[in-house]
Amino acid sequence: EAGVAQSPRYKIIEKRQSVAFWCNPISGHATLYWYQQILGQGPKLLIQFQNNGVVDDSQLPKDRFSAERLKGVDSTLKIQPAKLEDSAVYLCASSPPGAQASPLHFGNGTRLTVT
Amino acid sequence: SQQGEEDPQALSIQEGENATMNCSYKTSINNLQWYRQNSGRGLVHLILIRSNEREKHSGRLRVTLDTSKKSSSLLITASRAADTASYFCATAPYNTNAGKSTFGDGTTLTVKP
Repeated sequence: EAGVAQSPRYKIIEKRQSVAFWCNPISGHATLYWYQQILGQGPKLLIQFQNNGVVDDSQLPKDRFSAERLKGVDSTLKIQPAKLEDSAVYLCASSPPGAQASPLHFGNGTRLTVT
Repeated sequence: SQQGEEDPQALSIQEGENATMNCSYKTSINNLQWYRQNSGRGLVHLILIRSNEREKHSGRLRVTLDTSKKSSSLLITASRAADTASYFCATAPYNTNAGKSTFGDGTTLTVKP
C-alpha cells in the first residue's frame, strides 16, 4: 500500500510569513494526525481528525495555526504568521478506523525553517 | 511534561552487540508502542504491547512491560549498522486509543560497524 504522502519536504520562510503543508493519508484511514517535532524531541500532537471532523485540537496554537480536512481525505496545516519557534518537522500520520490499538503510519514530514 | 521518558538519551554500541532502551511513564496506560525514526524520515511502528501483556517478540526485537513499575524496555539483539536510529516509546492513557499516545524524547542509538 502507498504510504502517507507529505509535501513539501523542506520549506524556508522568514518570520511573519505564512506557510502551508499538505498531507495525503493511506487510503481508507479515517483518522489523521498532525504532529510537530522539534529537533531533539519526540513528536507532539497538534490536531487529530476523524474523517473530516476535529477530535482533538487542544494543543494547536489556534492564534496562528489552522488545519482542515474538508473531504475527509487529504489535509492541510497552515501557519500564519510564522515565528522562529515554529522551526520544526511537521509530521502527518494516519490510522485505520475502529481499531483501538492500531499503530500510527507516519509520512516523512516537512522540515520548516523560520529565519 | 512527557508521559513517556526514554533512557538513555544516547547509546553507542558495536555491531553484533545487544542494545537495551528503557521507557518510564507516569499514569496508567492502555498500551505502549515503540517506534523507530531514521534521520530525516518519519516514525516507523515497531511493536505494540497491551497493558495486560508482559513480553512481546518481533524478529530481533523484544519488548517487556512492567505496569507495577510503570516501565518498558526494548531490546534489540545482534544489532546491525542499519539499526542506527532514534527510538521512541509512546503511551496511550487508559481507556483511549493508540492515537492518543504521547511520545517521549527518544533514545538515539548508534551501531558502529
